[in-house]
Amino acid sequence: GAGVSQSPSNKVTEKGKDVELRCDPISGHTALYWYRQRLGQGLEFLIYFQGNSAPDKSGLPSDRFSAERTGESVSTLTIQRTQQEDSAVYLCASTERGSYNEQFFGPGTRLTVL
Amino acid sequence: LAKTTQPISMDSYEGQEVNITCSHNNIATNDYITWYQQFPSQGPRFIIQGYKTKVTNEVASLFIPADRKSSTLSLPRVSLSDTAVYYCLVGDRFSGGYGGSQGNLIFGKGTKLSVKP
Repeated sequence: GAGVSQSPSNKVTEKGKDVELRCDPISGHTALYWYRQRLGQGLEFLIYFQGNSAPDKSGLPSDRFSAERTGESVSTLTIQRTQQEDSAVYLCASTERGSYNEQFFGPGTRLTVL
Repeated sequence: LAKTTQPISMDSYEGQEVNITCSHNNIATNDYITWYQQFPSQGPRFIIQGYKTKVTNEVASLFIPADRKSSTLSLPRVSLSDTAVYYCLVGDRFSGGYGGSQGNLIFGKGTKLSVKP
């Protein structure tokens, strides 16, 4: 079946602009995660959705970051007033409810803020 | 939260067996050990998971000694396509995942494996 998909694959934007990153999880996966990976670094957890709700948004680095999920499927990560330090690869992963063993990752969106 | 330590990088040649060791001295009773692989420009991919002794699948083997304070990922006869970053994660698979309270995975910097011809 189809894996996790993300769009766009690459996004170049100017400082101060808003960007929207999209994630389509595997069908039937109720849990969805967003991570950020800076060059040469490990993954930094941003936010988790169980269904359409995000129990804890404390992983988001600032109030410029927000995320939503609709219909227990597609999720959108929005970054407002982008800064150069937001440049990174943004990864989305999904998993079945209660199955923390294996998360299925998308290919990521590479965001470059000029 | 069980912290993991693994080498930053390793070099190997095609056809060799590669062993990457991860230390996790404060692993808890309910913790499992999981390895992910990440190719350039891709998201991480689950490789293998184990609790104790030895686990083998079509990709790799995982060796875990009795004290579980370390684990070794073994890749048989590597090829150039095995060049990737390998991450060792430790955590409770039932209560909330690998150190993260929301089931999120906590990755370190991993081991960058370079396979040469």
